[in-house]
Amino acid sequence: SYELTQPPSVSVSPGQTATINCHGDKLGDEYVYWYQQKPGQSPVLVISEDVRRPSGIPERFSGSNSDNTATLTISGTQAVDEATYYCQAWDTGTEIVFGGGTKLTVL
Amino acid sequence: EVQLVESGGALVQPGGSLRLSCAASGFTFRNYGMSWVRQAPGKGLEWVSGIPGIGGGTHYADSLKGRLTITRDNSRDTLFLQLSSLRAEDTAIYYCAKSSSTSWNAGFDLWGQGTMVTVSS
Repeated sequence: SYELTQPPSVSVSPGQTATINCHGDKLGDEYVYWYQQKPGQSPVLVISEDVRRPSGIPERFSGSNSDNTATLTISGTQAVDEATYYCQAWDTGTEIVFGGGTKLTVL
Repeated sequence: EVQLVESGGALVQPGGSLRLSCAASGFTFRNYGMSWVRQAPGKGLEWVSGIPGIGGGTHYADSLKGRLTITRDNSRDTLFLQLSSLRAEDTAIYYCAKSSSTSWNAGFDLWGQGTMVTVSS
């Protein structure tokens, strides 16, 4: 079955840029979605179709997707961005797949 | 208000069955695909099942096929998930999630608060 691999954790200082990668075979051929989940809360879509920011998502969130890697970038990271981030894609014709999640710590 | 509200979660014995519901409001329910996504305690997100807005087939995670049935009632703006032959490893929060399009496999732009299913004797 298709797998999406994310680093378990990423640390960043306030105001710096956080980069979270998501790896999958030929991932660039599929749309990737990114979700933010804070403890005790439901996930929130922060990036849709590789690069689109849904309404209400701050401009500091951006995405890219090419070859085998999708990337979520948070510019000027703030303490409020501390959360676990999940990538998601579609295993063509079969299933929706989530990455294992990356816990972002803002030190 | 645009929202999804799940219900039906409970403590159930191994081998038992359960029916989860998700009531949608604030948007035209029939125009959007819907899915169930679960999250075991302390673990990541796992897609369970999806269904398109109108017509088309249902879709299930390979690991769960045969034990789930997803349905929707567009006249009542409600999504359902029938779980059977439940196992301890099915213990999780079950989220209802709205697709961003009529397709079942687009990203999820609206999530419910989740309903807890606990499988234990």
